[in-house]
Amino acid sequence: AQSVTQPDIHITVSEGASLELRCNYSYGATPYLFWYVQSPGQGLQLLLKYFSGDTLVQGIKGFEAEFKRSQSSFNLRKPSVHWSDAAEYFCAVGAGDALNFGKGTSLLVTP
Amino acid sequence: KAGVTQTPRYLIKTRGQQVTLSCSPISGHRSVSWYQQTPGQGLQFLFEYFSETQRNKGNFPGRFSGRQFSNSRSEMNVSTLELGDSALYLCASSPEGQGHSNNSPLHFGNGTRLTVT
Repeated sequence: AQSVTQPDIHITVSEGASLELRCNYSYGATPYLFWYVQSPGQGLQLLLKYFSGDTLVQGIKGFEAEFKRSQSSFNLRKPSVHWSDAAEYFCAVGAGDALNFGKGTSLLVTP
Repeated sequence: KAGVTQTPRYLIKTRGQQVTLSCSPISGHRSVSWYQQTPGQGLQFLFEYFSETQRNKGNFPGRFSGRQFSNSRSEMNVSTLELGDSALYLCASSPEGQGHSNNSPLHFGNGTRLTVT
């Protein structure tokens, strides 16, 4: 069965520092992969998606993610974090008609 | 284009009651999916509707049901509410359903926060 693991429940970074959020998936075929962000009291906003092709995907708000088939990973990165990036981040794998979400990583940004 | 609209934003119900949540998708989107979000279980898929037909269903009891109207608006119903049904219920729409087109990711609403007392 497909599954998504986000190993880090909480991450704290300083404003201006780089960020990497980890995501590992388990799926038999090449999956559709997504990163979503959720601010408090809000729904989920799509940051970026990977379906095929170039394994480095650019998203909104300066985020990017790299698909590594050999490591079954789809890590999210940002070179310089802003205070407004503090939120919950979800990795998801799509297969069929539903998305299977990871448990999320809560990002705290300190001054 | 207006986003996905969910009403109401907040609901408080008592155990044993039933509740109906509403979702208006983005104009032109024919697929509507529902997810339950709780601190313990995270985001779990409830069901997906496409052109008024339930196309896929998650692993939830029959107390959870839904429907979709000809204008693509969708409702979700939970009967005989239990304390464990307290959650944020998220609706998401897409043109074809996320698994059917690589240009059809889900767009989420802000959710309905259901509290069961």
